[in-house]
Amino acid sequence: DAGVTQSPTHLIKTRGQQVTLRCSPKSGHDTVSWYQQALGQGPQFIFQYYEEEERQRGNFPDRFSGHQFPNYSSELNVNALLLGDSALYLCASSPRAVGREQYFGPGTRLTVT
Amino acid sequence: DQQVKQNSPSLSVQEGRISILNCDYTNSMFDYFLWYKKYPAEGPTFLISISSIKDKNEDGRFTVFLNKSAKHLSLHIVPSQPGDSAVYFCAASEIDNNAGNMLTFGGGTRLMVKP
Repeated sequence: DAGVTQSPTHLIKTRGQQVTLRCSPKSGHDTVSWYQQALGQGPQFIFQYYEEEERQRGNFPDRFSGHQFPNYSSELNVNALLLGDSALYLCASSPRAVGREQYFGPGTRLTVT
Repeated sequence: DQQVKQNSPSLSVQEGRISILNCDYTNSMFDYFLWYKKYPAEGPTFLISISSIKDKNEDGRFTVFLNKSAKHLSLHIVPSQPGDSAVYFCAASEIDNNAGNMLTFGGGTRLMVKP
């Protein structure tokens, strides 16, 4: 049973560019959340998707957007990259109707130069 | 405004002894609490959780205690093993049936278990 998978593992981008990160949830999970983890800090909630709609959003600018597909996989898009967007981006999945635990993927390390 | 705080950035214990990791929260609407363990270059791994209707939950070597009046929870690991060395995150959520169940994380505590 595959867990949460994310791609790519690492990514280097230049300021002003755009990036797309991808996530496949754990089998049986229909809800996907995205978090940003800066160095030395805890993960910060970006947004959560369920039934292909953004259900909840954290304190992140509109440059951060997402999408969920019918197969429950998800994408995180960041436009007009800033140096401060350099972080580990974590995807987590959960079964909405059952349980409150979220299960995380290995993350994508984004470096903005 | 940090709603979940882990005031000890690091903790060092001897193998076989008890590790106690602490977490404080300010939002009284939080009703579910979780602990995650994170190794370098990996995502957080779910360890144990507790609902606000309980004050203790145990799973093998891991026990979580919740003191709602003090808005404090702790994770006890007994006995500690070198493989437990990792960063531990406390997280909290509040139920919102119309929206989602976002997790609010603390800053983490690095646990080092010495052989």
